Amino acid sequence: DIVMTQSPDSLAVSLGERATINCKSSQSLLVISSNKTYFAWYQQKPGQPPKLLISWPSTREPGVPDRFIGSGSGTDFTLTISSLQAEDVAVYYCQQYYSTPYTFGQGTKLEIK
Amino acid sequence: QVQLQESGPGLVKPSETLSLTCTVSGGSISTYYWNWIRQPPGKGLEWIGYIYDNGNTNYNPSLKSRVTISVDTSKNQFSLKLISVTAADTAVYYCARRVGVMTPFDSWGQGTLVTVSS
Repeated sequence: DIVMTQSPDSLAVSLGERATINCKSSQSLLVISSNKTYFAWYQQKPGQPPKLLISWPSTREPGVPDRFIGSGSGTDFTLTISSLQAEDVAVYYCQQYYSTPYTFGQGTKLEIK
Repeated sequence: QVQLQESGPGLVKPSETLSLTCTVSGGSISTYYWNWIRQPPGKGLEWIGYIYDNGNTNYNPSLKSRVTISVDTSKNQFSLKLISVTAADTAVYYCARRVGVMTPFDSWGQGTLVTVSS
């Protein structure tokens, strides 16, 4: 199985400041023949299902604010929230869809400082 | 816009079978990959398996011996059966869609909590 490891486990950031969450996969998620990287970020607010934010790993879903920025390649990925808003408080998960079993990171809890 | 809704018993006794159904509305169940994912209380996400509309399945090896996912295209539903449950199977169970063989989970149900307890 591909292991996804996020850091940090929790993070407190002031409103308007930048938040950065990292994710590392135990093997490359890049398929050279297609030049695609099979990686995504999800946001989960309390009592709600996860919501797909970013995939491939820098393509935002329609309606996702542009303060959410995904980057990275191969095995190392980053989710940056450029200016934290109160509604961004949530747990964020990374996920690989390169191979089954599809696996998620352990989650990063983002709070307001 | 497609909507997914899980349904089934919220309480299952140890050693019995957990059975859930996901009803898909606002779109056809055909040509997509339909998944089950679970989340124990306060913990992370675990993919259980998927089914394609032709009935092809793929299960997480950690659960493969106990899981069956089936589809009823006439009802726009797919189902999960998990046998021989224990307390470790207590979780919120989500159904989710993927549009292609190697794509993320783009639509999710609200989830349903299943508690395994006598």
